[in-house]
Amino acid sequence: NAGVTQTPKFRILKIGQSMTLQCTQDMNHNYMYWYRQDPGMGLKLIYYSVGAGITDKGEVPNGYNVSRSTTEDFPLRLELAAPSQTSVYFCASTERGSIYEQYFGPGTRLTVT
Amino acid sequence: QKEVEQNSGPLSVPEGAIASLNCTYSDRGSQSFFWYRQYSGKSPELIMFIYSNGDKEDGRFTAQLNKASQYVSLLIRDSQPSDSATYLCAVKGGSGNTGKLIFGQGTTLQVKP
Repeated sequence: NAGVTQTPKFRILKIGQSMTLQCTQDMNHNYMYWYRQDPGMGLKLIYYSVGAGITDKGEVPNGYNVSRSTTEDFPLRLELAAPSQTSVYFCASTERGSIYEQYFGPGTRLTVT
Repeated sequence: QKEVEQNSGPLSVPEGAIASLNCTYSDRGSQSFFWYRQYSGKSPELIMFIYSNGDKEDGRFTAQLNKASQYVSLLIRDSQPSDSATYLCAVKGGSGNTGKLIFGQGTTLQVKP
């Protein structure tokens, strides 16, 4: 099992550009999450999904959108990138009915200039 | 008051000593508690979880939970330089069944040879 994979690993965007961060898991987990982590800080929840077709906002959703058309994939869309979105983005997943331990992907380091 | 609080450190201990990492949380209904280790530039990695009052041991790691005091800690015995990392405390809240975790900002541990 590859676990949770994310692409790209690094990206530099210009202000106003858009991009999609990809996240895929092969553990058949129902629940998936997107976090951002700013330097020296913990993880802030952006969006989450409890199953295909179901998504909801987390703590810091502004400037982002998500979709969940399959169990495996949970892409995060950035529209009109701003310098405040410079961060490291982590995708995570867990299984419904478990102890809810989350497993993380390797992250995407995004810089907006 | 932050929902999950940790001392950001750095906590510096000599090799072979016991490192004690602490975390407090505000939601009395919280159900599960997690410790993640994050090396610089890497994604969080689950090392322990606990959901019952008392101690839980796994090798050199012991998690301690006191729900009355809303306090969870992680002890690392015989600390090694390879334990140098940031340790994130995460708490699953009592409401809802979404698996959402709230993370503290992390404590940086430095183990000096």
